[in-house]
Amino acid sequence: GNSVTQMEGPVTLSEEAFLTINCTYTATGYPSLFWYVQYPGEGLQLLLKATKADDKGSNKGFEATYRKETTSFHLEKGSVQVSDSAVYFCALSVPNTGGFKTIFGAGTRLFVKA
Amino acid sequence: DTGVSQDPRHKITKRGQNVTFRCDPISEHNRLYWYRQTLGQGPEFLTYFQNEAQLEKSRLLSDRFSAERPKGSFSTLEIQRTEQGDSAMYLCASSDSLWDSSYEQYFGPGTRLTVT
Repeated sequence: GNSVTQMEGPVTLSEEAFLTINCTYTATGYPSLFWYVQYPGEGLQLLLKATKADDKGSNKGFEATYRKETTSFHLEKGSVQVSDSAVYFCALSVPNTGGFKTIFGAGTRLFVKA
Repeated sequence: DTGVSQDPRHKITKRGQNVTFRCDPISEHNRLYWYRQTLGQGPEFLTYFQNEAQLEKSRLLSDRFSAERPKGSFSTLEIQRTEQGDSAMYLCASSDSLWDSSYEQYFGPGTRLTVT
């Protein structure tokens, strides 16, 4: 079946540290891949996406590359800030009845200390 | 546009009672989704609508759950005879793309249900 596995949290980093949150997936066909972020007290919002192999999604200093050979979509940022503290969800979309369906990972909570 | 809104934001109910949640999507978005999220987990798909048509229901959605989108705009999710296991955050999302796998979903803030 289709699934997403991401590293367990929480991840605690100091400001300006390098961030990696691992995400691997299982899917039939060629899914689109996403990272969503949920800041405290807010709804989920799209952070970045990639639609085909070797595509790189980027936004707000975050990057992730669609790696078909390793079925991965790891999230990276070179220098995190306190404001990046949030829960990050890796997700994929697959064809489904009448369109597409999105499957989310369990989420990884990030704490950034000043 | 004010985004996706959900009402109420919090609901506390006693076991056995019925509850109804409302979701107002971004106007003109033809697709609307309901998810359930429990602590430490990602959103789990419950059901979705394309305009007023309910296209799929997850096996998570027992007979006690029903969802409607009568005019293709707002949607309601009703849970009958609530159980403690129904306690969760119920999320609504909308999108405007039918056939593009890279569509972005816009999420509401959620309704937190506590069943005592």
